[in-house]
Amino acid sequence: DAMVIQNPRYQVTQFGKPVTLSCSQTLNHNVMYWYQQKSSQAPKLLFHYYDKDFNNEADTPDNFQSRRPNTSFCFLDIRSPGLGDAAMYLCATSRDPGGDEQYFGPGTRLTVT
Amino acid sequence: KQEVTQIPAALSVPEGENLVLNCSFTDSAIYNLQWFRQDPGKGLTSLLLIQSSQREQTSGRLNASLDKSSGRSTLYIAASQPGDSATYLCAVNGGSNYKLTFGKGTLLTVNP
Repeated sequence: DAMVIQNPRYQVTQFGKPVTLSCSQTLNHNVMYWYQQKSSQAPKLLFHYYDKDFNNEADTPDNFQSRRPNTSFCFLDIRSPGLGDAAMYLCATSRDPGGDEQYFGPGTRLTVT
Repeated sequence: KQEVTQIPAALSVPEGENLVLNCSFTDSAIYNLQWFRQDPGKGLTSLLLIQSSQREQTSGRLNASLDKSSGRSTLYIAASQPGDSATYLCAVNGGSNYKLTFGKGTLLTVNP
């Protein structure tokens, strides 16, 4: 039944050690999004893929990268995590951009030690 | 730049009470507005989606309204229950990159 799946649910990494978060979807949606939510703050869009087209938010740090090898999977790579990157990372999908509903996964809680 | 504000930041009510959560946004050029629920340490659960052409949506004890011209939405929860305790987030979808802009949420506590 799961529609948007994120793995792992909890990730601990060391300062400066690259980490990859995974998102998969069974909805066959064209758009996949990555949001960052820091403690007690609103979720903030990092980037999104519309099919194979990558769209980066202007204020997303270069430390954050993304890959979408196929329709079902999307990855978030953090090249050199800092303490300030500790957050909940939320993946979402929608059929198309614009007026379509976004469906969210359960999130990955990232801790940086 | 779209800004979304939610008032109040926190709300505590006794079980059974009807309540209203408020959301306002600065740019009325939106595609839709979504209300989400977030339990502590968890992801987002979509509650209701209102398209820009709609005035309201209902699901069970929840009713969301949208007044696009004034940049306001409300989420009405009828007969609140302790299980409704969570943070409720409002998000508007608009702009050239179709992103959701979220408010900071209202932390709701329903006391038995």
